[in-house]
Amino acid sequence: QVQLQESGPGLVKPSETLSLTCTVSGDSISSPSYHWGWIRQPPGKGLEWIGSIYYSGNTYYNPSLKSRVTMSVDTSQNQFSLKLSSVTAADTAVYYCASEYSSSPTYWGQGTLVTVSS
Amino acid sequence: QSALTQPASVSGSPGQSITISCTGTSSDVGSYNLVSWYQQHPDKAPKLLISEVTKRPSGVSNRFSGSKSGNTASLTISGLQAEDEADYYCCSHASEGGSASVVFGGGTKLTVL
Repeated sequence: QVQLQESGPGLVKPSETLSLTCTVSGDSISSPSYHWGWIRQPPGKGLEWIGSIYYSGNTYYNPSLKSRVTMSVDTSQNQFSLKLSSVTAADTAVYYCASEYSSSPTYWGQGTLVTVSS
Repeated sequence: QSALTQPASVSGSPGQSITISCTGTSSDVGSYNLVSWYQQHPDKAPKLLISEVTKRPSGVSNRFSGSKSGNTASLTISGLQAEDEADYYCCSHASEGGSASVVFGGGTKLTVL
Protein backbone atom coordinates (compact mmCIF):
# COMPACT_ATOMS: atom_id res chain seq x y z
CA GLN A 1 0.00 0.00 0.00
CA VAL A 2 1.25 3.45 -0.90
CA GLN A 3 2.03 5.76 2.01
CA LEU A 4 2.55 9.50 1.71
CA GLN A 5 3.94 12.08 4.12
CA GLU A 6 3.85 15.85 3.71
CA SER A 7 6.64 18.05 5.04
CA GLY A 8 7.41 21.75 5.03
CA PRO A 9 7.02 24.98 7.01
CA GLY A 10 3.83 25.41 8.98
CA LEU A 11 3.98 29.20 8.79
CA VAL A 12 4.52 31.33 5.70
CA LYS A 13 4.48 35.12 5.45
CA PRO A 14 2.06 36.90 3.10
CA SER A 15 3.43 37.44 -0.43
CA GLU A 16 6.03 34.71 0.04
CA THR A 17 6.14 31.24 -1.53
CA LEU A 18 4.69 28.17 0.18
CA SER A 19 6.83 25.07 -0.39
CA LEU A 20 5.84 21.52 0.52
CA THR A 21 7.30 18.12 -0.21
CA CYS A 22 5.57 14.74 -0.24
CA THR A 23 7.62 11.61 0.39
CA VAL A 24 6.20 8.41 -1.09
CA SER A 25 6.82 4.94 0.29
CA GLY A 26 5.45 1.55 -0.63
CA ASP A 27 5.64 2.20 -4.37
CA SER A 28 7.85 3.96 -6.86
CA ILE A 29 6.96 7.48 -7.85
CA SER A 30 7.91 6.37 -11.35
CA SER A 31 5.01 3.94 -11.39
CA PRO A 32 3.00 4.48 -14.57
CA SER A 33 -0.21 3.75 -12.62
CA TYR A 34 -0.41 6.99 -10.69
CA HIS A 35 -0.39 10.71 -10.89
CA TRP A 36 0.74 12.51 -7.74
CA GLY A 37 -1.48 15.29 -6.49
CA TRP A 38 -2.01 18.06 -3.98
CA ILE A 39 -5.35 18.92 -2.38
CA ARG A 40 -6.04 21.56 0.25
CA GLN A 41 -8.76 22.25 2.80
CA PRO A 42 -9.15 25.65 4.48
CA PRO A 43 -10.22 25.41 8.13
CA GLY A 44 -13.89 24.45 8.32
CA LYS A 45 -14.29 24.34 4.54
CA GLY A 46 -14.30 21.84 1.72
CA LEU A 47 -11.63 20.17 -0.40
CA GLU A 48 -9.93 21.96 -3.29
CA TRP A 49 -7.79 20.17 -5.87
CA ILE A 50 -4.58 22.09 -6.52
CA GLY A 51 -3.02 19.96 -9.22
CA SER A 52 -1.13 16.78 -10.04
CA ILE A 53 2.06 15.63 -11.72
CA TYR A 54 3.11 12.49 -13.56
CA TYR A 55 6.54 10.97 -13.05
CA SER A 56 7.49 12.21 -16.53
CA GLY A 57 6.94 15.76 -15.33
CA ASN A 58 3.61 16.39 -17.07
CA THR A 59 1.52 18.67 -14.86
CA TYR A 60 -2.19 19.44 -14.50
CA TYR A 61 -3.22 22.45 -12.45
CA ASN A 62 -6.44 23.92 -11.09
CA PRO A 63 -7.21 26.76 -13.52
CA SER A 64 -7.93 29.12 -10.62
CA LEU A 65 -4.46 28.55 -9.11
CA LYS A 66 -2.46 27.85 -12.24
CA SER A 67 -0.66 31.20 -12.31
CA ARG A 68 0.80 30.62 -8.83
CA VAL A 69 1.44 26.86 -8.76
CA THR A 70 4.51 24.88 -9.67
CA MET A 71 4.88 21.14 -9.12
CA SER A 72 7.94 19.00 -9.57
CA VAL A 73 8.99 15.40 -9.07
CA ASP A 74 12.27 13.96 -7.79
CA THR A 75 12.41 10.31 -8.78
CA SER A 76 15.76 9.76 -7.03
CA GLN A 77 14.21 10.71 -3.68
CA ASN A 78 10.74 9.27 -4.43
CA GLN A 79 9.30 12.70 -3.68
CA PHE A 80 7.19 15.33 -5.34
CA SER A 81 6.81 18.97 -4.41
CA LEU A 82 4.44 21.92 -4.47
CA LYS A 83 5.26 25.61 -4.67
CA LEU A 84 2.52 28.22 -4.33
CA SER A 85 3.65 31.79 -4.82
CA SER A 86 2.33 35.14 -3.59
CA VAL A 87 0.36 33.59 -0.76
CA THR A 88 -2.33 35.41 1.22
CA ALA A 89 -4.38 34.50 4.27
CA ALA A 90 -6.82 32.77 1.90
CA ASP A 91 -4.15 30.13 1.27
CA THR A 92 -4.21 29.04 4.92
CA ALA A 93 -5.29 25.41 4.82
CA VAL A 94 -4.44 21.80 5.54
CA TYR A 95 -2.48 20.61 2.52
CA TYR A 96 -2.71 16.95 1.54
CA CYS A 97 -0.63 15.02 -0.94
CA ALA A 98 -2.18 11.98 -2.59
CA SER A 99 -1.72 9.37 -5.25
CA GLU A 100 -4.24 9.70 -8.07
CA TYR A 101 -5.59 6.78 -10.08
CA SER A 102 -8.13 7.51 -12.82
CA SER A 103 -8.51 11.08 -11.50
CA SER A 104 -9.36 9.75 -8.02
CA PRO A 105 -7.06 10.71 -5.16
CA THR A 106 -6.64 7.25 -3.71
CA TYR A 107 -4.04 7.17 -0.96
CA TRP A 108 -3.69 10.34 1.09
CA GLY A 109 -1.07 11.74 3.42
CA GLN A 110 -2.14 12.80 6.89
CA GLY A 111 -2.12 16.46 5.88
CA THR A 112 -0.11 19.43 7.10
CA LEU A 113 -1.51 22.76 8.26
CA VAL A 114 0.05 25.78 6.61
CA THR A 115 -0.82 29.16 8.08
CA VAL A 116 -0.18 32.36 6.17
CA SER A 117 0.51 35.15 8.64
CA SER A 118 3.07 37.82 9.33
CA GLN B 1 -14.02 25.36 -13.15
CA SER B 2 -16.90 25.40 -10.65
CA ALA B 3 -17.27 23.08 -7.70
CA LEU B 4 -19.72 20.22 -8.07
CA THR B 5 -23.01 20.82 -6.25
CA GLN B 6 -23.86 18.73 -3.19
CA PRO B 7 -26.53 19.26 -0.52
CA ALA B 8 -25.01 20.90 2.55
CA SER B 9 -26.49 18.33 4.89
CA VAL B 10 -28.49 15.11 5.02
CA SER B 11 -29.67 13.04 7.94
CA GLY B 12 -31.07 9.62 8.65
CA SER B 13 -31.77 7.20 11.45
CA PRO B 14 -29.75 4.05 12.15
CA GLY B 15 -30.69 1.29 9.74
CA GLN B 16 -32.13 3.63 7.14
CA SER B 17 -30.71 4.43 3.70
CA ILE B 18 -29.70 7.86 2.48
CA THR B 19 -28.56 9.22 -0.86
CA ILE B 20 -26.23 12.14 -1.47
CA SER B 21 -26.36 13.79 -4.88
CA CYS B 22 -23.50 15.44 -6.76
CA THR B 23 -24.43 17.60 -9.73
CA GLY B 24 -21.93 18.74 -12.30
CA THR B 25 -21.95 19.60 -15.98
CA SER B 26 -21.19 18.08 -19.36
CA SER B 27 -17.56 19.14 -18.80
CA ASP B 28 -17.14 16.84 -15.82
CA VAL B 29 -19.64 14.38 -14.33
CA GLY B 30 -21.71 14.13 -17.49
CA SER B 31 -18.84 13.21 -19.79
CA TYR B 32 -16.62 10.92 -17.72
CA ASN B 33 -17.16 7.81 -15.63
CA LEU B 34 -14.48 9.14 -13.32
CA VAL B 35 -16.51 10.14 -10.28
CA SER B 36 -15.26 9.25 -6.82
CA TRP B 37 -16.61 9.67 -3.30
CA TYR B 38 -14.82 10.32 -0.03
CA GLN B 39 -15.69 10.11 3.65
CA GLN B 40 -13.98 12.48 6.07
CA HIS B 41 -14.23 12.33 9.83
CA PRO B 42 -13.17 15.39 11.88
CA ASP B 43 -9.44 16.08 11.79
CA LYS B 44 -8.81 13.07 9.56
CA ALA B 45 -7.71 12.73 5.98
CA PRO B 46 -10.45 11.83 3.49
CA LYS B 47 -10.97 8.14 2.77
CA LEU B 48 -11.83 6.85 -0.69
CA LEU B 49 -15.19 5.05 -0.72
CA ILE B 50 -16.05 4.79 -4.42
CA SER B 51 -14.03 5.32 -7.59
CA GLU B 52 -15.01 5.33 -11.27
CA VAL B 53 -18.69 5.87 -10.31
CA THR B 54 -19.35 2.41 -8.87
CA LYS B 55 -16.09 0.71 -7.83
CA ARG B 56 -15.54 0.00 -4.16
CA PRO B 57 -11.91 -0.35 -3.00
CA SER B 58 -10.99 -3.38 -0.98
CA GLY B 59 -12.03 -2.97 2.64
CA VAL B 60 -14.89 -0.53 2.01
CA SER B 61 -18.25 -1.79 3.25
CA ASN B 62 -20.77 -2.86 0.63
CA ARG B 63 -23.24 -0.57 2.38
CA PHE B 64 -21.70 2.18 0.23
CA SER B 65 -22.67 2.28 -3.43
CA GLY B 66 -22.39 4.77 -6.27
CA SER B 67 -24.30 5.55 -9.43
CA LYS B 68 -24.60 8.18 -12.12
CA SER B 69 -27.28 9.54 -14.42
CA GLY B 70 -26.51 12.35 -16.80
CA ASN B 71 -24.74 15.17 -15.01
CA THR B 72 -25.60 13.87 -11.53
CA ALA B 73 -23.78 11.23 -9.51
CA SER B 74 -25.10 9.73 -6.30
CA LEU B 75 -23.75 7.99 -3.23
CA THR B 76 -26.11 5.71 -1.34
CA ILE B 77 -25.40 4.49 2.17
CA SER B 78 -27.62 1.66 3.32
CA GLY B 79 -28.10 0.38 6.86
CA LEU B 80 -26.92 3.65 8.41
CA GLN B 81 -24.62 3.27 11.39
CA ALA B 82 -23.49 5.81 13.94
CA GLU B 83 -19.93 5.73 12.59
CA ASP B 84 -21.19 6.87 9.17
CA GLU B 85 -21.67 10.36 10.62
CA ALA B 86 -19.06 12.35 8.71
CA ASP B 87 -18.56 14.73 5.80
CA TYR B 88 -18.84 13.29 2.29
CA TYR B 89 -17.29 14.70 -0.87
CA CYS B 90 -17.70 13.82 -4.51
CA CYS B 91 -14.93 14.35 -7.05
CA SER B 92 -14.81 14.19 -10.84
CA HIS B 93 -12.40 14.38 -13.71
CA ALA B 94 -13.03 17.57 -15.66
CA SER B 95 -11.93 18.97 -18.97
CA GLU B 96 -12.35 22.47 -20.30
CA GLY B 97 -10.61 24.07 -23.23
CA GLY B 98 -8.54 20.95 -23.69
CA SER B 99 -7.09 21.10 -20.18
CA ALA B 100 -7.71 18.22 -17.81
CA SER B 101 -8.30 18.78 -14.10
CA VAL B 102 -10.12 17.40 -11.08
CA VAL B 103 -13.00 19.09 -9.28
CA PHE B 104 -14.54 18.39 -5.87
CA GLY B 105 -18.03 18.96 -4.58
CA GLY B 106 -18.64 21.33 -1.70
CA GLY B 107 -19.24 18.51 0.75
CA THR B 108 -22.26 17.09 2.57
CA LYS B 109 -22.50 16.66 6.31
CA LEU B 110 -24.27 13.44 7.24
CA THR B 111 -25.95 13.34 10.63
CA VAL B 112 -27.09 10.00 12.03
CA LEU B 113 -30.05 10.78 14.27
